[in-house]
Order: sequence, then structure tokens, then C-alpha cells
Amino acid sequence: AQSVTQPDIHITVSEGASLELRCNYSYGATPYLFWYVQSPGQGLQLLLKYFSGDTLVQGIKGFEAEFKRSQSSFNLRKPSVHWSDAAEYFCAAVPTSGGSYIPTFGRGTSLIVHP
Amino acid sequence: ETGVTQSPTHLIKTRGQQVTLRCSSQSGHNTVSWYQQALGQGPQFIFQYYREEENGRGNFPPRFSGLQFPNYSSELNVNALELDDSALYLCASSLGGRTGTGELFFGEGSRLTVL
Repeated sequence: AQSVTQPDIHITVSEGASLELRCNYSYGATPYLFWYVQSPGQGLQLLLKYFSGDTLVQGIKGFEAEFKRSQSSFNLRKPSVHWSDAAEYFCAAVPTSGGSYIPTFGRGTSLIVHP
Repeated sequence: ETGVTQSPTHLIKTRGQQVTLRCSSQSGHNTVSWYQQALGQGPQFIFQYYREEENGRGNFPPRFSGLQFPNYSSELNVNALELDDSALYLCASSLGGRTGTGELFFGEGSRLTVL
């Protein structure tokens, strides 16, 4: 079955430290991949997306993600975290065959930022 | 360009009642997806509408039903409300069809509390 796994439920970092949030997918063929961010009580906002090509993808707010086919991973990174980055982060995948383009989301990783 | 808007933002119902949630899609988008997000969980796919037809459905009972109008706005109806239906309901619009990628644009959500 197709699935998206975010193994870390919570991640705590100090402001200014680097960040990596993990995402693994299980699909027959490489899906389209996305990272979304959700502030408390809000909807989800797209951070970045990967369709094909360059495996290092740049997004908004200084985030980037690296696609690794051999590891079926699409990890999100930021070199220096700001307190305003505290939020819930969701990885999502969309199958590239079938025509329905319905994303499956991971359970999310809650980012806590200490001053 | 207007974004995705949802109404109402908050509502309280009692068990057994019925609720209708509304969503206006982003300009130029022809696809609307609905997600249920329980506290501390990732969004769970309810269904998707593409050009007024249901284009996919998640693991939700028939008392969850929907509609998409010619202007691509959408409604989510839930009958016979249960306590477990308490959640944030997210609407997302996208561009479907052959050029679709599954990239979603979310509204702020409708917070439903069932007592």
C-alpha cells in the first residue's frame, strides 16, 4: 500500500541550530513529493515540492529538501531555525500514475524551538 | 487572485445533527479536496471533486457526502454526527486533469465540535 512515514512526532531544536525533518515514502514509482507547514489552528501552506530533476529543492522561508531515490526519502532541512518556524510539518506524496493526483499525508512532525 | 475560503470557521453541534461546510476554491482551480484533521493527526482524505464529479474517496462512511458546483465551489455534508467527527475540516483546491500535480492550496479550515 502507498504510504508516507514521518518517523519523528516531535523535534526540539534551539534557535539558530540546524534542522532536519525526515520523510520516507512507499510507492511503486517515484511520486510527486511535497512539504507543508501548519501553524496552530491554521490551514496548511506549501513549503516546497519535487516533481523531477534536481534532487535538491529550494522552498520558501529558507527551507530546502533533498530527494534520495535509493532511500525513498525526502527530508526537509533548514540551516538556521528561527522561533517563528515552530509549527507542524507535513510531508505528502502524490502518485504519478492513475490520474487522480490525490495526496497522502504523513502524520506530521511537531517542531519546538527553544530560545 | 483570491485564495481558498471556508465557512464557517467554528461551529458546535450535538450528536445526531447534520452539518454543512462550505468552500470556495482558488481562482482557476477545478478540483476540490476535503480532509479531516483530528487533534495531533495528519489530514485524512475524505473525497475529491473534479469538475463536479467525485474523483476519489477515502475511508469515510456514506454519511459524509459532498457536492461541487459549476463555479467549482464545494460543500461537505455530514449526517448523524458522532463525537469522533469533532475535528478541523480542511478544504484544498488544485488544478486537476492532465496538467494536475496534486499541489494543494488550503483554506484555514472549519473547526467542528460535536457535543
